[in-house]
Amino acid sequence: DAMVIQNPRYQVTQFGKPVTLSCSQTLNHNVMYWYQQKSSQAPKLLFHYYDKDFNNEADTPDNFQSRRPNTSFCFLDIRSPGLGDAAMYLCATSRGGQQHEQFFGPGTRLTVL
Amino acid sequence: GDSVTQMEGPVTLSEEAFLTINCTYTATGYPSLFWYVQYPGEGLQLLLKATKADDKGSNKGFEATYRKETTSFHLEKGSVQVSDSAVYFCAPQRVGSQGNLIFGKGTKLSVKP
Repeated sequence: DAMVIQNPRYQVTQFGKPVTLSCSQTLNHNVMYWYQQKSSQAPKLLFHYYDKDFNNEADTPDNFQSRRPNTSFCFLDIRSPGLGDAAMYLCATSRGGQQHEQFFGPGTRLTVL
Repeated sequence: GDSVTQMEGPVTLSEEAFLTINCTYTATGYPSLFWYVQYPGEGLQLLLKATKADDKGSNKGFEATYRKETTSFHLEKGSVQVSDSAVYFCAPQRVGSQGNLIFGKGTKLSVKP
């Protein structure tokens, strides 16, 4: 089945220790999104790629970076995680443009000790 | 700017009760409209969508109609089940974007047997 896969599902890191979350898709979609979702809140868009074009949200901290080496994979790098970065991180994909829905992965739960 | 207002929860219903979750939005132009559902510990799943005025999206007994005059997209289900317990997000698409969504705050639904 075509899908969006996130690894790992659970990630524990230490305060200030860089961490990378990964997302892959078999849908061949143009757009890949990264969201941060804190408990009982709506997902917050951090950035997205349309093909190789990177689009950062204005309020995304510099501590968050992303890479998309090819169509299928996208990575979220947190350079120096703080306690406030503990959250669920969701990856999504879409064909882009209007009318097309986003397909979400199961998320990675990040804990910062 | 574009925004969405969603009925806040939590909402607690008995099995077989009628469900309405209100959603209104402000947007420049005519966005596609989506409802997503999130079960505990999981990513978001598309529940239904509507892409133009008067369209009715439906899935799993849930329905929502795109009301351009009132800029609303209320979610309804005639008879809820325990398995419908989840968080529901209304999400208009940002017009002119690469499919970016504007998420409501989410409504947590609990259905009691």
